Amino acid sequence: GAVVSQHPSWVICKSGTSVKIECRSLDFQATTMFWYRQFPKQSLMLMATSNEGSKATYEQGVEKDKFLINHASLTLSTLTVTSAHPEDSSFYICSARDVFRDLKTDTQYFGPGTRLTVL
Amino acid sequence: RKEVEQDPGPFNVPEGATVAFNCTYSNSASQSFFWYRQDCRKEPKLLMSVYSSGNEDGRFTAQLNRASQYISLLIRDSKLSDSATYLCVVNRGGKLIFGQGTELSVKP
Repeated sequence: GAVVSQHPSWVICKSGTSVKIECRSLDFQATTMFWYRQFPKQSLMLMATSNEGSKATYEQGVEKDKFLINHASLTLSTLTVTSAHPEDSSFYICSARDVFRDLKTDTQYFGPGTRLTVL
Repeated sequence: RKEVEQDPGPFNVPEGATVAFNCTYSNSASQSFFWYRQDCRKEPKLLMSVYSSGNEDGRFTAQLNRASQYISLLIRDSKLSDSATYLCVVNRGGKLIFGQGTELSVKP
């Protein structure tokens, strides 16, 4: 149980285009989803936290107008990188939490990640 | 200063060696602590949680010292398959804060 999928697993796009990444919890209801970014040889950095049905909370330094997050259902969150530029090339990873089941442990289940390359 | 700091890598060790990773965290409000493993170009996977009393899972032993805000991971009898990046992670207010990771390479 507790499987999280991401789609696509990799994407190459031209500078200036927008890219949408989907994160799905396959066998549980994800009350909260998190979006991380990881540059080569660096740590995972939390970009934003999204709770189902409400606006995402962005970490300091993350542009909310550039990284649009939607969490419209308990099993799906999307991250749209708008007007992508080469510096947005990174590994984007989502995680999901079932706060009702994992109240004590705050366990997060990670998706396999999406590798974005902007040319 | 980063909120979670780890030993700089890489660690290159022979099979069978014992290797120790250290980690410090700066925010005393951190609530829970973990070691994750990340293979190249993959997502991080939970290796083990870390408790104040210390805990062991097979060849892996984790320790937490809240007073000094220090976390450690010991790997005994290392295997080739242990080669990966080990991430020290703290939970602060429901958010996971990741260290940069320490790369381990186990050689035959």
